[in-house]
Amino acid sequence: GIQVEQSPPDLILQEGANSTLRCNFSDSVNNLQWFHQNPWGQLINLFYIPSGTKQNGRLSATTVATERYSLLYISSSQTTDSGVYFCAVEERAGGFKTIFGAGTRLFVKA
Amino acid sequence: EAQVTQNPRYLITVTGKKLTVTCSQNMNHEYMSWYRQDPGLGLRQIYYSMNVEVTDKGDVPEGYKVSRKEKRNFPLILESPSPNQTSLYFCASTPLLAGGENEQFFGPGTRLTVL
Repeated sequence: GIQVEQSPPDLILQEGANSTLRCNFSDSVNNLQWFHQNPWGQLINLFYIPSGTKQNGRLSATTVATERYSLLYISSSQTTDSGVYFCAVEERAGGFKTIFGAGTRLFVKA
Repeated sequence: EAQVTQNPRYLITVTGKKLTVTCSQNMNHEYMSWYRQDPGLGLRQIYYSMNVEVTDKGDVPEGYKVSRKEKRNFPLILESPSPNQTSLYFCASTPLLAGGENEQFFGPGTRLTVL
């Protein structure tokens, strides 16, 4: 089945810094989503982005489907950005199975 | 309010005692899914359903059962729970829109401990 790798696994930032999180996937996908899991465990949709670029406030994402990767940009980070960021893909060949990456754990220091 | 609900939110049980975790969505979504989350492993899909009476295995289905008798409900059944099923469980739902944005929406999670 498809493999999804996220990097870096852990990231510590000073408040106000920018960061880029990466998601690589090993095969063609039907769709790709980015999620934020806050410290209380809640999963929050950030982007549905099978291809192209989207922006929402300080966050933006780009997926280059032909090269099998997606990037999540966080600008001017805030302490409330702390948590775990996951990308998830839906396999194109495997019906409607969804595969998650292991996540990037972000801690933003005040 | 559009939402996915799960019950219970927390459960401590003993090995072998059958349990059911309920999941319900009010968005008329066709697709529903169960995941478990374990430290360092991200979320792994247990089962999914593309519509009423249509279910299929995800990556880690062993030890679990599901049913989809109504569009809004997708319960997860552990017939004989074991300690290795101690985990955080999430239910999700998605519309199946041809050419549309088929985002997954997640419930709040159920933390299960099997002693």
